[in-house]
Amino acid sequence: QQQVKQSPQSLIVQKGGISIINCAYENTAFDYFPWYQQFPGKGPALLIAIRPDVSEKKEGRFTISFNKSAKQFSLHIMDSQPGDSATYFCAASIGATNKLIFGTGTLLAVQP
Amino acid sequence: DGGITQSPKYLFRKEGQNVTLSCEQNLNHDAMYWYRQDPGQGLRLIYYSQIVNDFQKGDIAEGYSVSREKKESFPLTVTSAQKNPTAFYLCATGLAGALGPDTQYFGPGTRLTVL
Repeated sequence: QQQVKQSPQSLIVQKGGISIINCAYENTAFDYFPWYQQFPGKGPALLIAIRPDVSEKKEGRFTISFNKSAKQFSLHIMDSQPGDSATYFCAASIGATNKLIFGTGTLLAVQP
Repeated sequence: DGGITQSPKYLFRKEGQNVTLSCEQNLNHDAMYWYRQDPGQGLRLIYYSQIVNDFQKGDIAEGYSVSREKKESFPLTVTSAQKNPTAFYLCATGLAGALGPDTQYFGPGTRLTVL
């Protein structure tokens, strides 16, 4: 119940296309859903996050869509660029401990 | 990155040796975390601390130990009891308390290799 399932494992997108990464969870107590971006050899950096009281959040080219009834959330990267090539992790946490449960990651390659 | 420093960047250890990874922060965050990252497995929580002199086990604490004597520092010791210690270790910080979950900020990581 503590798992966050992420797909696909890897993704190749042409420059200018839309990248979509999906995550699903079981535990309805999760109340915070961040997405992290990680470049090789670096620590993850927060990209965008959402709480379950909203269905969508947009920041620049990055959008989180959240479906509470389906217990799914996804990251959309519009107008994907080669510089977006990285590993993306979804995560979920509960309450004040802020213990994050991570998905297994998606390696995105944006081809020029 | 930013206000979180992890050292060293690369660490090599012989089997049977204990080794300590450093994590220092100047963000004035109460909470600190240690994660382990292996290919294809995401990040897994080793230990976390929400306040000085207190810490809790995460999902994979066996073979690891921590201390939290100062707010700024949360060192992780990988002991000889850890059967497969080769991994990328990440320290993170965040706000803790009644306001609920908030952003975690990650350091640049330490890559540990056991020879």
